[in-house]
Amino acid sequence: RKEVEQDPGPFNVPEGATVAFNCTYSNSASQSFFWYRQDCRKEPKLLMSVYSSGNEDGRFTAQLNRASQYISLLIRDSKLSDSATYLCVVIRSYNTDKLIFGTGTRLQVFP
Amino acid sequence: NAGVTQTPKFRVLKTGQSMTLLCAQDMNHEYMYWYRQDPGMGLRLIHYSVGEGTTAKGEVPDGYNVSRLKKQNFLLGLESAAPSQTSVYFCASSLGEGNRLDKNIQYFGAGTRLSVL
Repeated sequence: RKEVEQDPGPFNVPEGATVAFNCTYSNSASQSFFWYRQDCRKEPKLLMSVYSSGNEDGRFTAQLNRASQYISLLIRDSKLSDSATYLCVVIRSYNTDKLIFGTGTRLQVFP
Repeated sequence: NAGVTQTPKFRVLKTGQSMTLLCAQDMNHEYMYWYRQDPGMGLRLIHYSVGEGTTAKGEVPDGYNVSRLKKQNFLLGLESAAPSQTSVYFCASSLGEGNRLDKNIQYFGAGTRLSVL
């Protein structure tokens, strides 16, 4: 079993739709969580950090569920420009120097 | 503010040739990383460095060597390229130290597309 697992998708949604992705992690000692966005043939870029209390940034909301060991990303009012691959990232402990990347969930928003 | 810069952007090698990929960051970050990204595999850590003069192996280090002679630069070398090393290579850096919540956030370069024939 991979340490970080994501549904590869693609998720095909119309503009204006709400879409949610989940990411599960296997190591219960994981401490820090992030969502990165990667556009086709581009580098990954930080979308948002995921805090224990949840995190909201405009149309994007990230949640952490420690009991079930997953994080989620909710995108409201999808835009064409949201089309990308969303990478779930986990750090095992606060002081570790390595991030564990999921393979990503591809989102395609159509007109 | 350039962030993380990788050179070259593209390269084609023949099997057995050698090359060096250069990564430079201007954010005064302590930690630097080299990843490769292959379809369906996600990002895999090759080597990383937690400071000038230090290097460590990641998940897939075989066939690669690295050096961190200066804090701002992290070099990835392929001594004898093989077709299995055809991939997209990303360099990243992070603050790494201190108590800031964002110390582990990694910032990536634009990548190097390498083909080994």
